[in-house]
Formats: sequence, structure tokens, C-alpha cells
Amino acid sequence: RKEVEQDPGPFNVPEGATVAFNCTYSNSASQSFFWYRQDCRKEPKLLMSVYSSGNEDGRFTAQLNRASQYISLLIRDSKLSDSATYLCVVNGPMAPSGAGSYQLTFGKGTKLSVIP
Amino acid sequence: SQTIHQWPATLVQPVGSPLSLECTVEGTSNPNLYWYRQAAGRGLQLLFYSVGIGQISSEVPQNLSASRPQDRQFILSSKKLLLSDSGFYLCAWRGDANTGELFFGEGSRLTVL
Repeated sequence: RKEVEQDPGPFNVPEGATVAFNCTYSNSASQSFFWYRQDCRKEPKLLMSVYSSGNEDGRFTAQLNRASQYISLLIRDSKLSDSATYLCVVNGPMAPSGAGSYQLTFGKGTKLSVIP
Repeated sequence: SQTIHQWPATLVQPVGSPLSLECTVEGTSNPNLYWYRQAAGRGLQLLFYSVGIGQISSEVPQNLSASRPQDRQFILSSKKLLLSDSGFYLCAWRGDANTGELFFGEGSRLTVL
């Protein structure tokens, strides 16, 4: 089973649409979660952290379900500028015991194209 | 504020040639430093990370190596490149090794011919 799994897409949506991305992770000891955005041929940049209670930043809403080991990102009122690849990122212990250092594991990303 | 830079941005190298990518971080001390590779159509793969000067951990055995000669400098090297080394190499830093977010450099796109 892949450690962090995302639907690769592409998701092609019209401007103004609402789109949701899902992500599942396998390490139940994971502690923190993020969504990164990566534009074509650029470096990934943090979009938002994901908190247990869910959090919203403008048109973006992130949710976490620890029991199901599932993270989601909802984008409302899509803009052309939202076109990018969205990476799900999970921070967890490297050792199965949960001890030791933590590392970030990246999903392969979901590609979004917002169409005029 | 903290900044991270890496270079060169783009390079084309023949098989068997050496490689050196350099990364520096400004505005912070004792950062945790990382080298990732992103091959076409694949996710980010962690290659090396460093928690301090001279301390390197390798995640993937291969013909690449990393060094940290100074607190805020991280270098990725190879003595002989392979075709499979082509990809987008990203340097990154985070302040807290266990909880902090990751900040990436602009990336170095390597094509091995």
C-alpha cells in the first residue's frame, strides 16, 4: 500500500466550479498534514496546513479524518489561477514504533485545470 | 525573513560526467536541510537530509552523495551521472525537524544525455 495516495487526475473544471481532492495515508502515527501547490516546472509551495478540526482559508477548505486516515481539500469558485498540481503531504515518524525523527511524505499530486 | 536558493537552475550533462548542485539558506540557523528529486510523472523522492554540519542521512542508495560543509549550505554531488539521474532536484529546509513546514528552493532541472 502506498504511504500517501492521491487521485492523479487531471481534474478539468470550469471557472466558478467547486472541486474536491482526496488523499489517504497509511501511517496511523502521522502527526501533521499539509497541502502544497506546485505550478508547472516550479517548486512546491505550502497552500495550507490541515488541522483536526478542519480549517478554511478563503475559498480553500481542508479537512482531516484521523480515524479513516483521510485528508481532503475543497476549492470553491475555482479561478483560472488555481490550475496547478496539488500535493498531499503527511508528516510522521520514520520508525514503526513512532519513535525517532519525523519525515514528510509526499503524494504524487492531483492535477487541476480550470477552464475558461 | 528566511530565503533559500539553489543553483544552477538548469543543466544538461552527458552520461558519466560529474554533478554538483548547491543550496544555501539565509535568515535562519541550524536548519534541517533536504534534497528531493522529482522525476517526470512521479512524486517527490527524498534523497538526503541533514540535521547539522557534517551529518548526512541517505534515504535511497544510488550514485549520488550529499555534503554539508557549513551550517546553511547543502551540496548534492555525483561522480558519474546516469541517464536515470535526470529529474527536477529540489533543496528544502525546515526549522523544526518534527513539525515544521518545508520550504523549497527554486529547483534544478537536470537532463542527462
